Amino acid sequence: KNEVEQSPQNLTAQEGEFITINCSYSVGISALHWLQQHPGGGIVSLFMLSSGKKKHGRLIATINIQEKHSSLHITASHPRDSAVYICAVEEDPRYNTDKLIFGTGTRLQVFP
Amino acid sequence: EAQVTQNPRYLITVTGKKLTVTCSQNMNHEYMSWYRQDPGLGLRQIYYSMNVEVTDKGDVPEGYKVSRKEKRNFPLILESPSPNQTSLYFCASSLYGTDTQYFGPGTRLTVL
Repeated sequence: KNEVEQSPQNLTAQEGEFITINCSYSVGISALHWLQQHPGGGIVSLFMLSSGKKKHGRLIATINIQEKHSSLHITASHPRDSAVYICAVEEDPRYNTDKLIFGTGTRLQVFP
Repeated sequence: EAQVTQNPRYLITVTGKKLTVTCSQNMNHEYMSWYRQDPGLGLRQIYYSMNVEVTDKGDVPEGYKVSRKEKRNFPLILESPSPNQTSLYFCASSLYGTDTQYFGPGTRLTVL
């Protein structure tokens, strides 16, 4: 079983739809990252959070530490949001590590 | 402009021929890391460095070496590349381990 699981693996949506991507993890963490990878391959960091909720434009990320779960929401989706969204967790440094563990990504396609 | 640069961007080589992929950041970041990305497996951490002269293994360090002699540079060395190291490689940096990650553009390596 992977330590970081994302769902769904693939997602298609019509422009304007509200989108949710989920990330569950099984290890103790110090932080969780949401990344975006466009078809060209470049990776951009969207959020880094350790509790609560963060919002940037149409993107909202939430995390529930007790349930070991995070969600990424996209409101009013647009074709330019089409990308692979990757969840990554930083292992708790109390376990003498500062590794990043990645989910396998969610491929989102938004059609006009 | 704040950035992480990698060179080369594309490389085709043969089994056993030593190679180095360079990574440099101009943001005075403490933390640097190397990842490989393979279809179906997502991103996996190879090595990371919390500071100059401090490096640690990630999830897939076998067959790779790194060094951190200066804060800005973190080269990835393949002493004797093999075909299973054919992959897309990303370097990333952040101010500290638990911080927003900045990714380089990627290096596509093919080992014949």
